[in-house]
Amino acid sequence: AQSVTQLGSHVSVSEGALVLLRCNYSSSVSVYLFWYVQYPNQGLQLLLKYLSGSTLVKGINGFEAEFKKSETSFHLTKPSAHMSDAAEYFCAVLIQGAQKLVFGQGTRLTINP
Amino acid sequence: DTAVSQTPKYLVTQMGNDKSIKCEQNLGHDTMYWYKQDSKKFLKIMFSYNNKELIINETVPNRFSPKSPDKAHLNLHINSLELGDSAVYFCASSQLAGGPETQYFGPGTRLLVL
Repeated sequence: AQSVTQLGSHVSVSEGALVLLRCNYSSSVSVYLFWYVQYPNQGLQLLLKYLSGSTLVKGINGFEAEFKKSETSFHLTKPSAHMSDAAEYFCAVLIQGAQKLVFGQGTRLTINP
Repeated sequence: DTAVSQTPKYLVTQMGNDKSIKCEQNLGHDTMYWYKQDSKKFLKIMFSYNNKELIINETVPNRFSPKSPDKAHLNLHINSLELGDSAVYFCASSQLAGGPETQYFGPGTRLLVL
């Protein structure tokens, strides 16, 4: 069975500081990887995704993530946090050939002024 | 234009009632999904339909019955609501089932069962 683990249910950083949200997955087959963001009382919005090719993917709002197959990781980073980045972030995997996304438990990002 | 829309946005009801949530997508996608987000924010797939045909049913109680009148709509009917059904329900859609397609999510329906 596939699973996704996000280290830290809550991450707090200062405005302008580096954001690092960790995601590790477990799967015996190839996967596609996604990061979604959920702002308060809203739906999920795609930040970025890794399908194949370059392991460093850039997304919206200055976020990027690096796929490391050897570490089964897909950590999300942003060089400089902005107050508007405060939200819930979800890492997810899509098994190749399957239809369902398997989500991590989410990480709530708080930005301190 | 809203890509994936859900109605209602909020739903407060009594235990034992029957309720429906509607979902529509105007993206021309073939596949639609229902996800449940519990009070701890954990998201789990419930159902998936491809061209009106059920392809995923994740051991959801029989009280939950999805219905897809056409490929642009996927409704969720819940019978005999229980307290544990309180959650946020998200509809999503994607172009193809099984491919690396992005799933686009609706705004969610916040269901509270009293």
